[in-house]
Amino acid sequence: SAVISQKPSRDICQRGTSLTIQCQVDSQVTMMFWYRQQPGQSLTLIATANQGSEATYESGFVIDKFPISRPNLTFSTLTVSNMSPEDSSIYLCSVVGLGGGTQYFGPGTRLTVL
Amino acid sequence: GQQLNQSPQSMFIQEGEDVSMNCTSSSIFNTWLWYKQEPGEGPVLLIALYKAGELTSNGRLTAQFGITRKDSFLNISASIPSDVGIYFCAGLRMDSNYQLIWGAGTKLIIKP
Repeated sequence: SAVISQKPSRDICQRGTSLTIQCQVDSQVTMMFWYRQQPGQSLTLIATANQGSEATYESGFVIDKFPISRPNLTFSTLTVSNMSPEDSSIYLCSVVGLGGGTQYFGPGTRLTVL
Repeated sequence: GQQLNQSPQSMFIQEGEDVSMNCTSSSIFNTWLWYKQEPGEGPVLLIALYKAGELTSNGRLTAQFGITRKDSFLNISASIPSDVGIYFCAGLRMDSNYQLIWGAGTKLIIKP
């Protein structure tokens, strides 16, 4: 399985600011995803990060609020823009390896917005 | 969005007891996955099931892909304190572009 790292691991931010979360994988992967997980809840898919093109967003998530980049097969960023306390959550990067199959997850970024 | 029906929501058990949890759906899946998440961590894949009727073990964990392809269960035998965490099931359909459908999770608590 791929080794996935995320930075930062946690942050406390002020309302109205933006935070960029990085996801780095130790091997090339076909697909990368960004999820949000509210405390005590299951995972909600934000978007699929597409290499070299615009991300594919799920219903309820828009590019202006959650811009995503994926410049190559091992790296992606998610920005949470113009944050409000409702954005306080855990943000998780997930990947599918070149051979396909299952999804593996990074350790997550715990975001608190004051 | 769509979610799998996962039960129970939480379990309070004694160390050494066996644990069983399951997920059901009205839709057919081609893959069933079971993950465990501990506080402050991302979900960790425990078992992946790819074929209807498949029974797979990983140490004290055993999971089965239901014959109807609409359900799966996970058993943990002889639970130990490090089994504490939240267990999630997830289903994958081949037409879903690798988008997982998630259960709500089963929180496992072991009584001292």
